[in-house]
Amino acid sequence: NAGVTQTPKFQVLKTGQSMTLQCAQDMNHNSMYWYRQDPGMGLRLIYYSASEGTTDKGEVPNGYNVSRLNKREFSLRLESAAPSQTSVYFCATRGGSSSQYFGPGTRLTVL
Amino acid sequence: DQQVKQNSPSLSVQEGRISILNCDYTNSMFDYFLWYKKYPAEGPTFLISISSIKDKNEDGRFTVFLNKSAKHLSLHIVPSQPGDSAVYFCAASLNYGGATNKLIFGTGTLLAVQP
Repeated sequence: NAGVTQTPKFQVLKTGQSMTLQCAQDMNHNSMYWYRQDPGMGLRLIYYSASEGTTDKGEVPNGYNVSRLNKREFSLRLESAAPSQTSVYFCATRGGSSSQYFGPGTRLTVL
Repeated sequence: DQQVKQNSPSLSVQEGRISILNCDYTNSMFDYFLWYKKYPAEGPTFLISISSIKDKNEDGRFTVFLNKSAKHLSLHIVPSQPGDSAVYFCAASLNYGGATNKLIFGTGTLLAVQP
């Protein structure tokens, strides 16, 4: 039972390159989320998916797209990476009592 | 507009003493409040939560207190242990008809428990 897994763990991109961050969960939760964490700031919501087939924007969606492939998987895509997207990205799923369970994170650097 | 605020970036306490972490919020529509613990290079780990209709919730060494009139909550850790050293995030939940919720996070407090 792995919980929430994310790949890759680390990534370095050049400005303008694209990439997809992968997230998978085996907790059978409906809702999934993507956050970013920057120094001195809390986690900020990028996109979320209440259930398979639905996605919605969060607080900071610009420059990102998402795909809810099935109940288990929720991917985040950067079409043209910018230095401002250098951050640590976390995927999460919703559990009981409004709690959310987080993956280990992807550390992304855009040069 | 920061809806959830943790005004203390850091806190240092002695092992065995009480740690008190504070959080303020502005939105009366939050339905749950949560505390997360985060070690470096790991994802946040859910610690404890409290419903907006309660004023206290306890789980072992961890107790969360909610003061709705002051829009303030606090996390008490008694006794503090060196393994408790981490960043603690306060989060508040906005529920969307039961289908999903959004969490609004504070900026975190770095707790250091000195042996």
